Amino acid sequence: NAGVTQTPKFRILKIGQSMTLQCTQDMNHNYMYWYRQDPGMGLKLIYYSVGAGITDKGEVPNGYNVSRSTTEDFPLRLELAAPSQTSVYFCASSYRIMPFINSGGGSDIQYFGAGTRLSVL
Amino acid sequence: QQPVQSPQAVILREGEDAVINCSSSKALYSVHWYRQKHGEAPVFLMILLKGGEQKGHEKISASFNEKKQQSSLYLTASQLSYSGTYFCGTVTTSGTYKYIFGTGTRLKVLA
Repeated sequence: NAGVTQTPKFRILKIGQSMTLQCTQDMNHNYMYWYRQDPGMGLKLIYYSVGAGITDKGEVPNGYNVSRSTTEDFPLRLELAAPSQTSVYFCASSYRIMPFINSGGGSDIQYFGAGTRLSVL
Repeated sequence: QQPVQSPQAVILREGEDAVINCSSSKALYSVHWYRQKHGEAPVFLMILLKGGEQKGHEKISASFNEKKQQSSLYLTASQLSYSGTYFCGTVTTSGTYKYIFGTGTRLKVLA
C-alpha cells in the first residue's frame, strides 16, 4: 500500500512565485490535513478536510489555499510565496467514524506523507 | 488550546527509563502517541481510548487518566532507536470534533 504520497519532496521557490503541493491517499480516508513544521518546532495545522468538497481553516491558513474535489486528493496551494513559508509541509489522513462518540479504536489515527521541504528565497 | 507536554527535552543513556507527559485543558476522548525521527514524518505508536487504560508496545507503554485529562508515555530500558521527538495527539469531546497535537518532547538516547 502506498498510504499517503506527497510530491514534490523538495522545492525552492523565489519570493512571489506560486506552487501547488500535491497529496494523495489510497486508504479511503475521509479526513485529510495539511501541517507545517518549522525547524525544531511542533506541527501547526494549516487546513483540513472532512470529506470531498468540504474544507476548513486550521491554525495558520494565511497565504495558503486548499481544495478537495475527490476523496483521494488534497492539494495545498501557495500563492505569492514569502520567506516565512519556508518549512516542511506534511499531509496526513485519518478515518473517522460518525457519529463522533461511537467511533472505534482504529479511527482518528493520522497517517503522514513523507513531507515536502520548501525553501522560499 | 494545544496540549502541553513535559519535559520539553530529555537526554538518556541506553538502558535508562523515561516518562513523557501530555496534559490537556479540554476533556479528552482518546490520546494517540507518535514518534518523529529527525528528517522523517511522525509515525503512530499507540492509541488509548478509555480512562485509566494502559497499553504496551515492546518496552514502550502508555496510560490515560481521563479525569485528569492526562496521558503518560513510559519508555523502559531505552534504546538508541528511541531517539526522536514524541507527540501526543488528542481527540477532544467538548463541542465539535477536534484533533490537536501536543507541544512535543525531544528525546535523545546516548550510547
